[in-house]
Amino acid sequence: DTAVSQTPKYLVTQMGNDKSIKCEQNLGHDTMYWYKQDSKKFLKIMFSYNNKELIINETVPNRFSPKSPDKAHLNLHINSLELGDSAVYFCASSQDSGQETQYFGPGTRLLVL
Amino acid sequence: QKEVEQNSGPLSVPEGAIASLNCTYSDRGSQSFFWYRQYSGKSPELIMSIYSNGDKEDGRFTAQLNKASQYVSLLIRDSQPSDSATYLCAVMGYSTLTFGKGTMLLVSP
Repeated sequence: DTAVSQTPKYLVTQMGNDKSIKCEQNLGHDTMYWYKQDSKKFLKIMFSYNNKELIINETVPNRFSPKSPDKAHLNLHINSLELGDSAVYFCASSQDSGQETQYFGPGTRLLVL
Repeated sequence: QKEVEQNSGPLSVPEGAIASLNCTYSDRGSQSFFWYRQYSGKSPELIMSIYSNGDKEDGRFTAQLNKASQYVSLLIRDSQPSDSATYLCAVMGYSTLTFGKGTMLLVSP
């Protein structure tokens, strides 16, 4: 029983396409996150949602749009994909948006050609 | 800009030795500190969390925090080849978890 799951695991697509990544957590957590890990392995927060509401939106191009249909799901839609979007995208969740531990999903490896 | 600094390594230690991983952070208001381990091609998994000054031990792992010096460390005793991974230091500010770039640890048999 996976705590934080993501689909797809791998995504290979052409520049200019639109794609979505889905995330689900079954931990009963209130807060979910999207992180990007680039080729140099630097892990950086993109978005954070608490109970379906956006609470953190770091400096991310507006081609990236998160959507949270309920507190167990946080999806990431990316428009007009660019080469620089190639990275591993991790979803994570925590009990709330305070100081608690974040638990990570397995990651989605996105390659833009 | 909140920063978390780690030596990228690799840090090479023989099996059975103590591995010492260090991290400094810039935000004095930080309250929570975490060490994550990330194997190649896998997601980060929590090793230790620490919230107050001093040492916290869990099995072979000891986290040390010194808020005055803005310094966090992780000691791994009796290092095993299976400990070879990248160790990410993460610091929680008001509501954002900021990661360092990680230190690669290589434990040789």
